[in-house]
Amino acid sequence: GQQLNQSPQSMFIQEGEDVSMNCTSSSIFNTWLWYKQEPGEGPVLLIALYKAGELTSNGRLTAQFGITRKDSFLNISASIPSDVGIYFCAGPYTDKLIFGTGTRLQVFP
Amino acid sequence: KAGVTQTPRYLIKTRGQQVTLSCSPISGHRSVSWYQQTPGQGLQFLFEYFSETQRNKGNFPGRFSGRQFSNSRSEMNVSTLELGDSALYLCASSQPDYGYTFGSGTRLTVV
Repeated sequence: GQQLNQSPQSMFIQEGEDVSMNCTSSSIFNTWLWYKQEPGEGPVLLIALYKAGELTSNGRLTAQFGITRKDSFLNISASIPSDVGIYFCAGPYTDKLIFGTGTRLQVFP
Repeated sequence: KAGVTQTPRYLIKTRGQQVTLSCSPISGHRSVSWYQQTPGQGLQFLFEYFSETQRNKGNFPGRFSGRQFSNSRSEMNVSTLELGDSALYLCASSQPDYGYTFGSGTRLTVV
């Protein structure tokens, strides 16, 4: 079935650094969603993108809907310890929401 | 407003038993989706219910079933549990624009 591939798989960065991660698919998506999951909790929606080329920010987070509609990017600026978690991209596919493989982010003080 | 509530938070069962998990969606949300999350497979779609009807189903065996009640609360049932069913089971309620809101999940351990 359709898979969303995220890279990198994991990142270990120092507090204050900027972070970039991406998500790619073999199919065109009309919506891209970015979620963050902290240990012991369910994923929480961070940003939703609905239009090719769209760039949306939510505080220190910025996400872009790729122009080919087959990819999306998430950037986190000036990372802080509470950014730790797993970041998932997601998109609707055959009437259900499918999720990427996740990028695990560790931030060291 | 209250979020998505899943009960119980943790569960330990033995192989062969069955289990029922519960999900109460956000008030006004009529769609409830269930996902299984494991380290190896990530987040896998189980099924979606809308207005008491199963609207979509993932690739899971028939041992996994669900239902939705008239108040939109949903339950999922797993029969004849296997060790591989150990996972975090997540429920999400949503509005039509795919604004899924997830619960904290039920951590099921099969021993």
